[in-house]
Amino acid sequence: DVKVTQSSRYLVKRTGEKVFLECVQDMDHENMFWYRQDPGLGLRLIYFSYDVKMKEKGDIPEGYSVSREKKERFSLILESASTNQTSMYLCASSHLGLAGETQYFGPGTRLLVL
Amino acid sequence: AQSVTQLDSQVPVFEEAPVELRCNYSSSVSVYLFWYVQYPNQGLQLLLKYLSGSTLVKGINGFEAEFNKSQTSFHLRKPSVHISDTAEYFCAVTGDTGRRALTFGSGTRLQVQP
Repeated sequence: DVKVTQSSRYLVKRTGEKVFLECVQDMDHENMFWYRQDPGLGLRLIYFSYDVKMKEKGDIPEGYSVSREKKERFSLILESASTNQTSMYLCASSHLGLAGETQYFGPGTRLLVL
Repeated sequence: AQSVTQLDSQVPVFEEAPVELRCNYSSSVSVYLFWYVQYPNQGLQLLLKYLSGSTLVKGINGFEAEFNKSQTSFHLRKPSVHISDTAEYFCAVTGDTGRRALTFGSGTRLQVQP
């Protein structure tokens, strides 16, 4: 069974802290994605990666960075957390293949920044 | 650029009634279309997708969707809903060129009442 895991389900941080969100997939997928989910806005792409050490900005990259040192792991970093980064963060992965490849999602990390 | 519009933010329906969740998209290239479901406190799960061929696509849990190119729509239907279908449903699109990330609609919350 395919699996995408995220390091934390719930996280509470203070403004200005550096925050790491980890995502691991066991399907040998090339593509990995970080989305942010907010009520009424759906999911918005923060960053994605199609190979180790490769990354591309999504639609809302400001205030975030990413790291992909190994194929199975994709980390999202909030350099200095702010209250407007309080949100649900979802990681996904897919094969490189055609554009119609299914993306598989992790359970999400709900982040609260105080 | 692509965009997705889900016309209803909430759809209340009684158990065993039929339901249609509406989705319209815009894109300048050929598209692949997806419906994902998110049950409470979970990540997203693929319901169905349209890549090519027959415009009527059948998915899991008795759902189906019809791709209508002239109306740029991909509405999701189920002839008889169950309490367990209560969830948030997301329509998404990706093009056959460029980035592989999905562009999501804002979501429709389906509330099935007894």
